[in-house]
Amino acid sequence: QKEVEQNSGPLSVPEGAIASLNCTYSDRGSQSFFWYRQYSGKSPELIMFIYSNGDKEDGRFTAQLNKASQYVSLLIRDSQPSDSATYLCAVRFSGGYNKLIFGAGTRLAVHP
Amino acid sequence: DAGVTQSPTHLIKTRGQQVTLRCSPKSGHDTVSWYQQALGQGPQFIFQYYEEEERQRGNFPDRFSGHQFPNYSSELNVNALLLGDSALYLCASSLSGQGARNEKLFFGSGTQLSVL
Repeated sequence: QKEVEQNSGPLSVPEGAIASLNCTYSDRGSQSFFWYRQYSGKSPELIMFIYSNGDKEDGRFTAQLNKASQYVSLLIRDSQPSDSATYLCAVRFSGGYNKLIFGAGTRLAVHP
Repeated sequence: DAGVTQSPTHLIKTRGQQVTLRCSPKSGHDTVSWYQQALGQGPQFIFQYYEEEERQRGNFPDRFSGHQFPNYSSELNVNALLLGDSALYLCASSLSGQGARNEKLFFGSGTQLSVL
């Protein structure tokens, strides 16, 4: 069973702090990793993707990938109340087409 | 450039009934995937359509079926509805073929199905 695991939270951080969201996956052969943001009652929105070990930065977001540890994380710098949402980690496992397996998501709450 | 559109937005059905959900992919996309998202859970893969055929399928019973039309739009059909089928049904479109550019899924706003 190919799985993606996330801490459900809620993760509560003060405005301006760094939020750190973590995800582990079971398939060592996985190649592609995605972070989606989902506001309550809305559909998931792609915010970051990463394919190589190391860090990838885009504005206030940094995705980190460690394939040896089967671990991917998302850092949000200078967190804003508008970042309050559920963050879904998604993995394209080896052997599939563009089929993404999602974790259950981590709920982030940024308080003023 | 139209994004992924789904209809209807909300639907209420009773147990045993059948339902059809519709999806039009993002312009230029040829692959449609369907996901079920129960409350508090991540999206669960139902199946994917490409070239009017089901290309791969998740762990869902045969009550769940689909179709893709020549214009790449798609339908999800669920027969003999159960209470547990109540969920947000998401359609996602993408491009076919290998490569990082084709792996990104773009989601529609979903159909909220309630089974009473």
